Amino acid sequence: EAGVTQFPSHSVIEKGQTVTLRCDPISGHDNLYWYRRVMGKEIKFLLHFVKESKQDESGMPNNRFLAERTGGTYSTLKVQPAELEDSGVYFCASSPGGTGGSYEQYFGPGTRLTVT
Amino acid sequence: AQSVTQLDSHVSVSEGTPVLLRCNYSSSYSPSLFWYVQHPNKGLQLLLKYTSAATLVKGINGFEAEFKKSETSFHLTKPSAHMSDAAEYFCVVSEETSYDKVIFGPGTSLSVIP
Repeated sequence: EAGVTQFPSHSVIEKGQTVTLRCDPISGHDNLYWYRRVMGKEIKFLLHFVKESKQDESGMPNNRFLAERTGGTYSTLKVQPAELEDSGVYFCASSPGGTGGSYEQYFGPGTRLTVT
Repeated sequence: AQSVTQLDSHVSVSEGTPVLLRCNYSSSYSPSLFWYVQHPNKGLQLLLKYTSAATLVKGINGFEAEFKKSETSFHLTKPSAHMSDAAEYFCVVSEETSYDKVIFGPGTSLSVIP
């Protein structure tokens, strides 16, 4: 079974440009999460999809970030326009349907975003 | 507010010696607790989880952790370190208001000396 995949693995862009990160969850997983780790800080929750619906987007830093999950399969996270403080590693995770903290979240390898 | 503290940002052990990575949490309820490991250029992998069953939890690769409610701790241990254990370890707690939302500790980087 394929794990969670993320693309690209690394992106370097200039301040003001746009970048789109993609996450493909494990097939059949209804829950999809985005997290971010800024250099030297903790991994922080960004948002949670249940199928194609945003269940919780309380962690999104501002309106320059837009996440979508059309059709309830893969998800994209767009940053427009990118700022220097957006640099970090963006992780995606997925888990099976249903709720409850006992469900393991399966993480992807992350996308390292560098804004110069 | 909930929080997770990992008391050591970096731990260094010799190969074959015990590993202890400390984690304390603050919560007004009984949370679910997890330990994840991240090897260089890899995704986070679940080592083990506590979900209100047995307080001593056994995970993969010989790791285990004990949930101690009185001490609000969930320390990770392994009897004998292996070179392949060198990685970053994260203690994670489910959030009070949403079990689907988790809070990460700052991470502990483990080095294993040959």
